[in-house]
Amino acid sequence: GQNIDQPTEMTATEGAIVQINCTYQTSGFNGLFWYQQHAGEAPTFLSYNVLDGLEEKGRFSSFLSRSKGYSYLLLKELQMKDSASYLCAVTDSNYQLIWGAGTKLIIKP
Amino acid sequence: GAVVSQHPSWVICKSGTSVKIECRSLDFQATTMFWYRQFPKQSLMLMATSNEGSKATYEQGVEKDKFLINHASLTLSTLTVTSAHPEDSSFYICSARDEQGGDYEQYFGPGTRLTVT
Repeated sequence: GQNIDQPTEMTATEGAIVQINCTYQTSGFNGLFWYQQHAGEAPTFLSYNVLDGLEEKGRFSSFLSRSKGYSYLLLKELQMKDSASYLCAVTDSNYQLIWGAGTKLIIKP
Repeated sequence: GAVVSQHPSWVICKSGTSVKIECRSLDFQATTMFWYRQFPKQSLMLMATSNEGSKATYEQGVEKDKFLINHASLTLSTLTVTSAHPEDSSFYICSARDEQGGDYEQYFGPGTRLTVT
């Protein structure tokens, strides 16, 4: 079956760095997405990885290792507004998005 | 980036009535659109895949006669919740897939909050 795992909840301090991990087992792989979702709102796109390595975009970076079925989202210089759920999603061989359950990130002052 | 709109943003209806939600891709054509439902504090749940010009593909456990999907054009898909009940109250989100780009990214609409009284 298809499966995506990520931690349910994480807590971090304002100004610090946090890494949210995602492991996946899917039928085929055509890319991995990270989305941010604030409560009561639709998800917003953060990053897309299809090749191994690190993609940096401002305070957010995303890493992918296809051989290990592993990705992480790295958030630096955390701000209170970063409190949200972070969703990992993998595009399978049929270009269908398989979603993780999301990681709720709580930022404390 | 590409823009997807949803209408209405929120709706309150009485039990037993039907509600139609529209999803439009504003600046690209989408052969494939997706309808999700999200209950409070839970992750997105895919309800169905909407294909332009053909019948929608429903996920297991989703009643196709209750959640009617029509994808009549490359920029519009509609979800009709028929004979709504309070347990249908949820946040409904659509997304449209841009298949012209290489990453097949899905762009999300802002969501529709449905409350059935």
